[in-house]
Amino acid sequence: GQNIDQPTEMTATEGAIVQINCTYQTSGFNGLFWYQQHAGEAPTFLSYNVLDGLEEKGRFSSFLSRSKGYSYLLLKELQMKDSASYLCAVDDYKLSFGAGTTVTVRA
Amino acid sequence: NAGVTQTPKFRILKIGQSMTLQCAQDMNHNYMYWYRQDPGMGLKLIYYSVGAGITDKGEVPNGYNVSRSTTEDFPLRLELAAPSQTSVYFCASSSIRTGMTQYFGPGTRLTVL
Repeated sequence: GQNIDQPTEMTATEGAIVQINCTYQTSGFNGLFWYQQHAGEAPTFLSYNVLDGLEEKGRFSSFLSRSKGYSYLLLKELQMKDSASYLCAVDDYKLSFGAGTTVTVRA
Repeated sequence: NAGVTQTPKFRILKIGQSMTLQCAQDMNHNYMYWYRQDPGMGLKLIYYSVGAGITDKGEVPNGYNVSRSTTEDFPLRLELAAPSQTSVYFCASSSIRTGMTQYFGPGTRLTVL
């Protein structure tokens, strides 16, 4: 079975940094995806980690530790448009999604 | 490219009615998926397909059926709609060329009353 945990909600101020953690226990593992989903819209791809370590892509970075079953998404220089739900998903030939973390950015 | 398209955007069904949610992609992706997303929840996989003529069950297949006669189309059929099927339905596609990154359609918001 798949067990993927992430916090339900986080609030941060514009310009700040927020770290969204994701822990997983899954029967198979090829890699881990992060998706962003604005309210009422479809998820859009942010990052994919296969190997341990940090992947940086502009203001967003994602980290993976396969041995610990742990990943995080780091959002830097937060902007109002970053208010959204962030979904962690384990790739086991199919995707298993966590429930998502709703990030609210305040002025 | 239009990407992944879904119709209809919204639909209200009465209990016991049937309907087909349409999904099409023009990216020549082998893999296609159907998910449902309930409020405050993550996406649950209903069915998926690894190519034309091949489909398989996901996590929550009961009450649904799919077919994949072409690479482009992957319709989802609801038979005997129930209130528990009220949800937002997303179709997605991917391929080995995309590193298996899934690209999502805009969703269909279904209410069963």
